[in-house]
Amino acid sequence: EVQLVESGGGLVQPGGSLRLSCAASGFTFSNYAMSWVRQAPGKGLEWVAPISDSGDSTYYADSVKGRFTISRDNSKNTLYLQMKSLRAEDTAVYYCAKAYISGWVFSAGDWGQGTLVTVSP
Amino acid sequence: EIVLTQSPATLSLSPGERATLSCRASQSVSSYLAWYQQKPGQAPRLLIHDASNRATGIPARFSGSGSGTDFTLTISSLEPEDFAVYYCQHRSDWPPTFGQGTKLESK
Repeated sequence: EVQLVESGGGLVQPGGSLRLSCAASGFTFSNYAMSWVRQAPGKGLEWVAPISDSGDSTYYADSVKGRFTISRDNSKNTLYLQMKSLRAEDTAVYYCAKAYISGWVFSAGDWGQGTLVTVSP
Repeated sequence: EIVLTQSPATLSLSPGERATLSCRASQSVSSYLAWYQQKPGQAPRLLIHDASNRATGIPARFSGSGSGTDFTLTISSLEPEDFAVYYCQHRSDWPPTFGQGTKLESK
């Protein structure tokens, strides 16, 4: 059974930093692209950043480019999202998602339960 | 950026009825379209990938159709657990955008 468990969310002041982690199990982590997708309170879904299975390819939403960095450690089966210069509009539930098919970078077949990031003074 | 427009915004139906949800893309996404279901307080769940392929474990009452710019999600006979918000999403290129969602509510 695929399990994705996010951690690292919380309350942070504007301009602050936070690192999210996603611990993966139940599948061969190094074979799948992974992504972070977020959802602001009461709003729709936004694809924040995907990363290829090897970690060689990454993409970023314009809204986070230059501030967020996605990375992965295939030896630890863990996905990360380093967030800097946080803004109020970054407040959201952040989901970790696994590609449905290994090569489909922009797909999300399994999702974690999400971790809430709140940016507020 | 490809914009996905879902309609209607809200759909009020009763259990046992047929639900038809629409998703229109601002340019062709070929068949690279997925549908997700999201219930309050839960993560989205993949229902359909590549326009018409049910994901693993999804009941046969869910079906998808379409290609290019016009897509439909059909739920043949609504069960009580089907009332939720449904999102479409393309994977044609970066960024892979979502529609704004259709809320399926019980009448």
